[in-house]
Amino acid sequence: RKEVEQDPGPFNVPEGATVAFNCTYSNSASQSFFWYRQDCRKEPKLLMSVYSSGNEDGRFTAQLNRASQYISLLIRDSKLSDSATYLCVVNKMDTGNQFYFGTGTSLTVIP
Amino acid sequence: DAGVIQSPRHEVTEMGQEVTLRCKPISGHNSLFWYRQTMMRGLELLIYFNNNVPIDDSGMPEDRFSAKMPNASFSTLKIQPSEPRDSAVYFCASSPLGGYQETQYFGPGTRLLVL
Repeated sequence: RKEVEQDPGPFNVPEGATVAFNCTYSNSASQSFFWYRQDCRKEPKLLMSVYSSGNEDGRFTAQLNRASQYISLLIRDSKLSDSATYLCVVNKMDTGNQFYFGTGTSLTVIP
Repeated sequence: DAGVIQSPRHEVTEMGQEVTLRCKPISGHNSLFWYRQTMMRGLELLIYFNNNVPIDDSGMPEDRFSAKMPNASFSTLKIQPSEPRDSAVYFCASSPLGGYQETQYFGPGTRLLVL
């Protein structure tokens, strides 16, 4: 079983729509959680960390459910510039400092 | 800070040739990671180092791949001999070690094409 699983999509949504991505992780010992964004032909970049109480950054909201071992990302009022691949990332520090990446969810925002 | 620096940015070589990819992590980061990304397989961890020591190299495809980190500011990933199936984007990333919610920072990647 993969450490992190995501629906690869693609998600095609109109501008202004709200879209949500989910991600599940298999190891309950996971300690830190992140969403990364990767644009075409670029490196992955941190979008936001995910905290236990949930956190918001502008139009983006991240949630963590430790009991069910899933992470979500909500994007409100989608912009064309949100088109990218969104990667769910989980970090376990008890076995070193290993980061586990999901395969990514592709989002295209359509005018 | 200049961020993670990788060189070369692009490499085109012929099958059988040796390829060396280089990485300079962010100063002060204790962990360094090498990834490979392809359309088919996504982002794959090849190897990572903590304090210059290799911790997990289970992702290294085969003996043709080797990685070193002689000091805290430099790492290399070498492929010898290279094969067409090694064509991919190779990313280096670095991270502080030991902190909650400390994240990874990626370099711009090296696009490798083996003909």
